[in-house]
Amino acid sequence: GESVGLHLPTLSVQEGDNSIINCAYSNSASDYFIWYKQESGKGPQFIIDIRSNMDKRQGQRVTVLLNKTVKHLSLQIAATQPGDSAVYFCAEKAPWDTGNQFYFGTGTSLTVIP
Amino acid sequence: NAGVMQNPRHLVRRRGQEARLRCSPMKGHSHVYWYRQLPEEGLKFMVYLQKENIIDESGMPKERFSAEFPKEGPSILRIQQVVRGDSAAYFCASSRRQGPRNTNNEQFFGPGTRLTVL
Repeated sequence: GESVGLHLPTLSVQEGDNSIINCAYSNSASDYFIWYKQESGKGPQFIIDIRSNMDKRQGQRVTVLLNKTVKHLSLQIAATQPGDSAVYFCAEKAPWDTGNQFYFGTGTSLTVIP
Repeated sequence: NAGVMQNPRHLVRRRGQEARLRCSPMKGHSHVYWYRQLPEEGLKFMVYLQKENIIDESGMPKERFSAEFPKEGPSILRIQQVVRGDSAAYFCASSRRQGPRNTNNEQFFGPGTRLTVL
């Protein structure tokens, strides 16, 4: 079946540096993507989303890039802070009419070194 | 303005017992989703419900698992005769009323219930 996966399971960055977290998806029909942040012991928290008719979207300190040609998604975090340490998931929306389900990748654990 | 609430936060059961996990969606949300997360893995979709209706249960095991979202009260995920492999974190998410296919409703997640089967 189709799946969402991440290239790097762990990432360590120095505080103040920029972080890039990558995600590969295999369902070319997926039309909506979300990045979630999950801190230890908590539920996922929405960070930023992007639709398939866009290739870039910016938020506060975060940017999501979508490359549909190679089915690749990335999350860029500017000036990474210790509070950014968490597991980051990309999720794709199943392009079916009946639901609003999202399919999650395995996740990348980001550690920010002070 | 409370978010999605789940209880209990931690649940310990012995093999063969039943586990009941509760989820109260955000105010104004009528769509509920259940996900399971194994240690160091991503979330796996289980079931999508609206009030009194199961819309999609394609991710839910055919046996021992059931879900409901009654007209009144929280959504319940029920696991009968639990086995050790059921040990996981179970997350509930809710969203507003489903719009047309091309609109997207953000899902807000609860803190999860961590089930441990001894």
